[in-house]
Amino acid sequence: NAGVMQNPRHLVRRRGQEARLRCSPMKGHSHVYWYRQLPEEGLKFMVYLQKENIIDESGMPKERFSAEFPKEGPSILRIQQVVRGDSAAYFCASSYETGPGSPLHFGNGTRLTVT
Amino acid sequence: EDKVVQSPLSLVVHEGDTVTLNCSYEVTNFRSLLWYKQEKKAPTFLFMLTSSGIEKKSGRLSSILDKKELFSILNITATQTGDSAIYLCAVWDGGGSQGNLIFGKGTKLSVKP
Repeated sequence: NAGVMQNPRHLVRRRGQEARLRCSPMKGHSHVYWYRQLPEEGLKFMVYLQKENIIDESGMPKERFSAEFPKEGPSILRIQQVVRGDSAAYFCASSYETGPGSPLHFGNGTRLTVT
Repeated sequence: EDKVVQSPLSLVVHEGDTVTLNCSYEVTNFRSLLWYKQEKKAPTFLFMLTSSGIEKKSGRLSSILDKKELFSILNITATQTGDSAIYLCAVWDGGGSQGNLIFGKGTKLSVKP
C-alpha cells in the first residue's frame, strides 16, 4: 500500500513566483489535511479538504494561499507571489474518516525554499 | 486559545536509559490525544489515547492519558540510538464542524551510544 505521496520533495522559488505542492492521499482516504512546519515549531494546521470541498481553512493565510482537492487527481496547495517567510516544510496528511477515531497519516513533506 | 505544550523541548540520554516525555493540553472540546515520532521525514503514528488510565504499549514504548489533569506521558525504556527523533503530541479538538489536530512543538530526543 502506497502511503501519502507528496511532490516535489524540495522546491526552490524566487520571491514573487508561484509554488504548487501536490499531495496524493493513501488509497481509500478521502480526507486531506495540509500542515506547515517551521524550524523549532510544531506542525501548524492550514486546511482540511474532502473531495471537491474545503471543509476548514481556518489556518490558511487570507492572501496568496489556496488549496483544492479535485474529484480526480491530487490535492494542490498553491502559494502565489511567494515571500521568504513562506520557506518551510509543508506536510500533507490523509485519513479514512475525520475525527478522533482516525489518526492522520503523513507524507514526507515538501521543503519550500524562497530565495 | 487552544494549546498543546510538550516538555522538555529537548533531551539527551545514553543508550539503555529510560525517558519520560510530557504533554499537557488545554482545548475546547477534547476528543483524543495522539503521539507521533518524526525523524527526517514524515511524522509516523505511535499511539492514540481517548480514555484515562488505560496504558497503550508497543514494544519499549508506552503511553497513558490523564483526562482529569489534562496530560499524557510517553515512556521509552531501554532507549536505543534509533529512538533519536522528535516526538510530537497532538490533540484532536472536536470543536466546530470538524475540528482539527493541534500539535505541540515536540520533544527532541537524542540517544547517545
